[in-house]
Amino acid sequence: QVQLQQSGPGLVKPSQTLSLTCAISGDSVSSNSAAWNWIRQSPSRGLEWLGRTYYRSKWYNEYAVSVKSRITINPDTSKNQFSLHLNSVTPEDTAVYYCAGGDGFLGYWGQGTLVTVSS
Amino acid sequence: QSVLTQPPSASGTPGQRVTISCSGSSSNIGSNTVNWFQQLPGTAPKLLIYSNNQRPSGVPDRFSGSKSGTSASLAISGLQSEDEANYYCAAWDDSLNGRWVFGGGTRLTVL
Repeated sequence: QVQLQQSGPGLVKPSQTLSLTCAISGDSVSSNSAAWNWIRQSPSRGLEWLGRTYYRSKWYNEYAVSVKSRITINPDTSKNQFSLHLNSVTPEDTAVYYCAGGDGFLGYWGQGTLVTVSS
Repeated sequence: QSVLTQPPSASGTPGQRVTISCSGSSSNIGSNTVNWFQQLPGTAPKLLIYSNNQRPSGVPDRFSGSKSGTSASLAISGLQSEDEANYYCAAWDDSLNGRWVFGGGTRLTVL
């Protein structure tokens, strides 16, 4: 059974960097068939895909156009996890952030982290 | 505004059959498979249907999905009180370098 466990702060100051980590158990971040995503949810924007990382003989990263200039998703093979870094945050980045993954579909989700951007 | 269009609400009485629609375009539903998620309050979305009509292990066969052209539907038969939740459709979209897109969600009330 695949499980995703998120960690990271729930409060970030404006202009700073939001950083979250998603630890994978039951699968590998280096899987040749899975992709590992970050998705956020807010009342104003609904469910919004932010980006993903996956391995197909080499590493690939794909990001949503809306956050492409501010986002980095990194795999960590030594810890079997992946991370999200979103810089220059504003109050509009306040949302519940989820990691999610699976083989071609979003079959597994983390528990979610409410991140509030406020001074 | 969500890329995929769903009705904001649906309702039914216990035992009834309810359907939820999801409308998209040629770049998402028209060319890729559809997934459906169930979200209970305060929890993460749970995969209910993948590849248009496939159920993950553990999902009751009361839940079924279908797709035609650029639209998809989720059907719930034998409605139960525990089915009261928000339901979301999702599909990969080939535009803008590729991205997952979602519906705005349908709040299902069991009367």
